[in-house]
Amino acid sequence: SQKIEQNSEALNIQEGKTATLTCNYTNYSPAYLQWYRQDPGRGPVFLLLIRENEKEKRKERLKVTFDTTLKQSLFHITASQPADSATYLCAFRGSSNTGKLIFGQGTTLQVKP
Amino acid sequence: GAGVSQSPSNKVTEKGKDVELRCDPISGHTALYWYRQSLGQGLEFLIYFQGNSAPDKSGLPSDRFSAERTGGSVSTLTIQRTQQEDSAVYLCASSLDQYEQFFGPGTRLTVL
Repeated sequence: SQKIEQNSEALNIQEGKTATLTCNYTNYSPAYLQWYRQDPGRGPVFLLLIRENEKEKRKERLKVTFDTTLKQSLFHITASQPADSATYLCAFRGSSNTGKLIFGQGTTLQVKP
Repeated sequence: GAGVSQSPSNKVTEKGKDVELRCDPISGHTALYWYRQSLGQGLEFLIYFQGNSAPDKSGLPSDRFSAERTGGSVSTLTIQRTQQEDSAVYLCASSLDQYEQFFGPGTRLTVL
């Protein structure tokens, strides 16, 4: 079945460093991947979408890459800040044509001042 | 502008009772999704609405779960004869296209 995996271990980094989160997928070739941010007690918030024909996408301090050969997306936050502390979810649209998303379990990022 | 709202924010119920969870999507969004998030887990798709019809119900875990959407707007997720394994956060999202989804804050359901 279509599966998406993220590192379940929390990532702890020092303020100012670059955080890199990994998302791997199997049994599918998605046309695009999405990244969401989720804070405790809240719903996910959309951050970025990257298509299969795009190698890299940037938005302010965020950068996403998409390697269809490795079946992997990397999510980078440069010059990280304590306010970036949250859980980050990657997702792709399943093979049905309904737009439903298949999510990874998320990686929790903790940025220490 | 108003985002997706859900009610109640918290619901505690006894095993065997029925519960109704409500979702008010962003006005004009034709697509509506229900997901479930168990503790420490990713989001699990339940059902998708396009307008008032549900072309994809593949994620509903059992026939105790049902959902409807009226007027192309408000949606209700009903769980009958609740079980302890139904305890989770139920999230609703709406979308104008098949890309970015806008999520509500969720309803935390606890079945005792």
